[in-house]
Amino acid sequence: ETGVTQSPTHLIKTRGQQVTLRCSSQSGHNTVSWYQQALGQGPQFIFQYYREEENGRGNFPPRFSGLQFPNYSSELNVNALELDDSALYLCASSSEAEFLAKNIQYFGAGTRLSVL
Amino acid sequence: AQSVTQPDIHITVSEGASLELRCNYSYGATPYLFWYVQSPGQGLQLLLKYFSGDTLVQGIKGFEAEFKRSQSSFNLRKPSVHWSDAAEYFCAVGAGFSGTYKYIFGTGTRLKVLA
Repeated sequence: ETGVTQSPTHLIKTRGQQVTLRCSSQSGHNTVSWYQQALGQGPQFIFQYYREEENGRGNFPPRFSGLQFPNYSSELNVNALELDDSALYLCASSSEAEFLAKNIQYFGAGTRLSVL
Repeated sequence: AQSVTQPDIHITVSEGASLELRCNYSYGATPYLFWYVQSPGQGLQLLLKYFSGDTLVQGIKGFEAEFKRSQSSFNLRKPSVHWSDAAEYFCAVGAGFSGTYKYIFGTGTRLKVLA
């Protein structure tokens, strides 16, 4: 058990819609990262939040956005969904000490998004 | 550019046989290296990690990995595979830049175990 919970488990949307995915981390984990894992691929870094502010972004367009809340929960929002957004979305969290030490991240089980 | 390569997309071994999964990385500084396992429909479980020190690291479930700087490799091994080891395995390097710390993953190796 990593203590990272993601909801929902599965989601089906249509092209052009908007979606919000949620992640709940362990108490004290003030760093959260989101990854996109397309079928047959390794996870790709979307962005990271540290102390409720975006702390770095991968090669993803602005329609991918996020929020981090003081209660160690976070959201990934995707606007104007495209077929290629179909993937498993993983969040990973760590404590500040682990983040500063570039230590491990703890992954949730993911949300599988299907865009039709 | 930072990258991780897992040359084998699929590997099939018989139960009880030994296993080696290959991983090569490209990273300018001393790398932080990880192996994760993903069972169908599941998230990522950490098997082991290397930060510094002894180049042979032990992990959970009987796995080990050896860091070889000269070959830029971090291969995962297990002396005797169990049917429950069938899963997808990901090698990753921890990359820090401009205050961000992220994982760069390989494309994964899918392990099939024959009874």
